[in-house]
Amino acid sequence: EVQLVESGGGVVRPGGSLRLSCAASGFTFHSHGMSWVRQVPGKGLEWVSGINWNGGSTTYTDSVKGRFTISRDNARSSLYLQMNSLRAEDTALYHCARDQSLYTFDIWGQGTMVTVSS
Amino acid sequence: QSALTQPASVSGSPGQSITISCTGTSSDVGTYKYVPWYQQHPGKAPKLMIYDVSNRPSGVSDRFSGSKSGNTASLTISGLQAEDEAVYYCSSYTSSNIPIFGGGTKLTVL
Repeated sequence: EVQLVESGGGVVRPGGSLRLSCAASGFTFHSHGMSWVRQVPGKGLEWVSGINWNGGSTTYTDSVKGRFTISRDNARSSLYLQMNSLRAEDTALYHCARDQSLYTFDIWGQGTMVTVSS
Repeated sequence: QSALTQPASVSGSPGQSITISCTGTSSDVGTYKYVPWYQQHPGKAPKLMIYDVSNRPSGVSDRFSGSKSGNTASLTISGLQAEDEAVYYCSSYTSSNIPIFGGGTKLTVL
């Protein structure tokens, strides 16, 4: 079964850090670009960051540039998001998603919740 | 880059057809074919329903169709069923080499 399972979310104070992980299974991980997409509960989707198949190219939405770092380990079929200098506005459910082609996401994980609060 | 513009809500009766619009600019929807639509039921992950403006992934009902004219893309659902009640999001690749999403449209099946 093709699936993505996120982990690593939690409650963190403003200015703190978290590292999210996404474990992929059921498909050839290294053949696909991957992204993180977040969603404030009850609100819409916001793309956060993307990485190409070999990790050689990464992109970020403006609000997280310089604070978040996306990476991947193809040997472990895993995607990561290192989040530093967290702000209250980063509070959201973070989904990892498989890129079918140029940011069309055909497989999504259920998400891991990140809450930034003092 | 601003979000794509979608109506907040649409509704229809079982068996009817509805269309959801998604308006962008010449920097996104108007230029690129990479316009997907996603369906999201409460508490669930989004599901890809349409890709490249008008293509359906395997397993998606042919009641779902997509189109584009100028800077506006559209999702049409024909023969509405109760299970279609969900939030629908459009998205587009952009000239900034990143994607943007629409704000989402809640479909209510009356």
